[in-house]
Amino acid sequence: QKEVEQDPGPLSVPEGAIVSLNCTYSNSAFQYFMWYRQYSRKGPELLMYTYSSGNKEDGRFTAQVDKSSKYISLFIRDSQPSDSATYLCAMRGSSASKIIFGSGTRLSIRP
Amino acid sequence: GAVVSQHPSWVICKSGTSVKIECRSLDFQATTMFWYRQFPKQSLMLMATSNEGSKATYEQGVEKDKFLINHASLTLSTLTVTSAHPEDSSFYICSARDQSAAGGPYEQYFGPGTRLTVT
Repeated sequence: QKEVEQDPGPLSVPEGAIVSLNCTYSNSAFQYFMWYRQYSRKGPELLMYTYSSGNKEDGRFTAQVDKSSKYISLFIRDSQPSDSATYLCAMRGSSASKIIFGSGTRLSIRP
Repeated sequence: GAVVSQHPSWVICKSGTSVKIECRSLDFQATTMFWYRQFPKQSLMLMATSNEGSKATYEQGVEKDKFLINHASLTLSTLTVTSAHPEDSSFYICSARDQSAAGGPYEQYFGPGTRLTVT
């Protein structure tokens, strides 16, 4: 069993739709939960992060962490074609531990 | 924000030759850098962790004699793929840890990646 499971998609939605991306994990030691966005042939860029459980909102993006269910989500409101990318969930334990990435979900927003 | 650069961004080489990829932290010092490999439609897989002035720590299954890592300064780490073969063709991404921001996810910044094609 992988430490982090993420549906690879692809996921295609019309512009303006609400997008929900999810990951599950098995390691209860994870404390930092991140979402990275990766455009084609580019390195990943940090989009959102949450420490421990809870919600965090930044503009059109909302990250949720449910440690009791070992489940994290990223919501994108009013999706735009420019949001089309691969979204990687990632997590780590302590600040000294390595980041574990999900497999990534390919998202396409149709104009 | 902190910037990490990689050079080259794309390289094609013949089977059996060696290729060097550079990773630089442009506006911060990085005592620790990471090298990842990403195959098409797959996630990032950590290959090794390099610490300035010491030997790199390789992940299980990664051949240290094939993927030579040197972290000679606080702003530069290099990955050399020796005797490259077509199966080494991949997207190589480095990441650098900003010690001044230690303790949170912002401490690790990713480079733009290097696409290696071995013919």
